[in-house]
Amino acid sequence: SQELEQSPQSLIVQEGKNLTINCTSSKTLYGLYWYKQKYGEGLIFLMMLQKGGEEKSHEKITAKLDEKKQQSSLHITASQPSHAGIYLCGAVPVYNFNKFYFGSGTKLNVKP
Amino acid sequence: DVKVTQSSRYLVKRTGEKVFLECVQDMDHENMFWYRQDPGLGLRLIYFSYDVKMKEKGDIPEGYSVSREKKERFSLILESASTNQTSMYLCASSSPRLADNTGELFFGEGSRLTVL
Repeated sequence: SQELEQSPQSLIVQEGKNLTINCTSSKTLYGLYWYKQKYGEGLIFLMMLQKGGEEKSHEKITAKLDEKKQQSSLHITASQPSHAGIYLCGAVPVYNFNKFYFGSGTKLNVKP
Repeated sequence: DVKVTQSSRYLVKRTGEKVFLECVQDMDHENMFWYRQDPGLGLRLIYFSYDVKMKEKGDIPEGYSVSREKKERFSLILESASTNQTSMYLCASSSPRLADNTGELFFGEGSRLTVL
């Protein structure tokens, strides 16, 4: 079963447009992580959210975690072709701090 | 620079063969993980280990086993490879989350396994 649901599964946007990717957990999380994977390459860590209501930004990417710590959104402002790739949310559940699982990923294409 | 090294980038094996995928990290991390990545399914956790000789099943352990005899090395074993185990396998490591550490995972480049 998929404990982390990501939406949408894929996204094609025009360069310069904003976009949002969502990640929803069926359980309360200890921490929520966002990663990016360029096609054919390894995963790059973007940011981690741990506190309910927390928001972090890195360049044009902003991620938020809701108060209940079950839902996160990743927002990209003024998208560029360099933003293309697969975005994955990962999480540590409160019932097992050693476990680390991922959502199904969102494939993003940015058209120039 | 932190480094997680997977022994083979590409492997081709036959059905029924025993397959070893090796992963080594040089960061003295306690936690190590094996995932498989398939289109539309994201990364699915196969096994993880939080200490030497300690292991826990992930979400899809069937058909796999693991070995962690040394802290830096975590091996994934396919006892009898099957075609449905054709996939990209990713190894990762992390240290426990502390006040000054996010506990993020560091990934290897991946091993693409094809079982014929």
